[in-house]
Amino acid sequence: EIVLTQSPGTLSLSPGERATLSCRASQSVSSNYLAWYQQKPGQAPRLLIYGASSRASGIPDRFSGSGSGTDFTLTISRLEPEDFAVYYCLQYGSSLWTFGQGTKVEIK
Amino acid sequence: EVQLVESGGGLVQPGGSLRLSCAASGFTFDDYGMHWVRQAPGKGLEWVSGINWNSGRIGYADSVKGRFIISRDNAKNSLYLQMNSLTSEDTALYYCGKGADGGWGRVDYWGQGALVTVSS
Repeated sequence: EIVLTQSPGTLSLSPGERATLSCRASQSVSSNYLAWYQQKPGQAPRLLIYGASSRASGIPDRFSGSGSGTDFTLTISRLEPEDFAVYYCLQYGSSLWTFGQGTKVEIK
Repeated sequence: EVQLVESGGGLVQPGGSLRLSCAASGFTFDDYGMHWVRQAPGKGLEWVSGINWNSGRIGYADSVKGRFIISRDNAKNSLYLQMNSLTSEDTALYYCGKGADGGWGRVDYWGQGALVTVSS
């Protein structure tokens, strides 16, 4: 099983600031099949990034993904008020999928 | 518009069984893989099980293997999760997710979830 470790656990930032979220895998993620999801309270997750760096349909370009192998990053260039939420990474390159434990981006 | 509607959740005693259903619409159901993901109260997301378009590839998380069975009926545009030998650790909101392709691709749409509570 591939273990995904997200850091930090909580990120306290102000609107307009840049957010950098990390997702580290215990072994290489096949074909960089790494996705990022955003989840707000009481809502289902929303796909932001897939294939490590491709933006999903309708996702603003302030969201970007990068990385390969075992180290991946989600960057939000300038935080908007609606971006404060919990973010999860998911690896779907193996038969057994795994999620990271999540990073909460909160208003400072 | 893609719609996924879960049903079948509820309160069940430890050791009991429950069957979740997910009714899909707005896309050609038998072209896509499907998944179940759960979220315990106040916790993160956990992948539970997945099935490809023709049921030829099925996978389970270790935590549910041997107890849960995923299936689909392409004629009815429906996904199912049969859950047996339930414990309190299975208490969660269960989301149905549409894969991005017919195989094991990422989930690109989610339902709103069905709540399962295991308690005596």
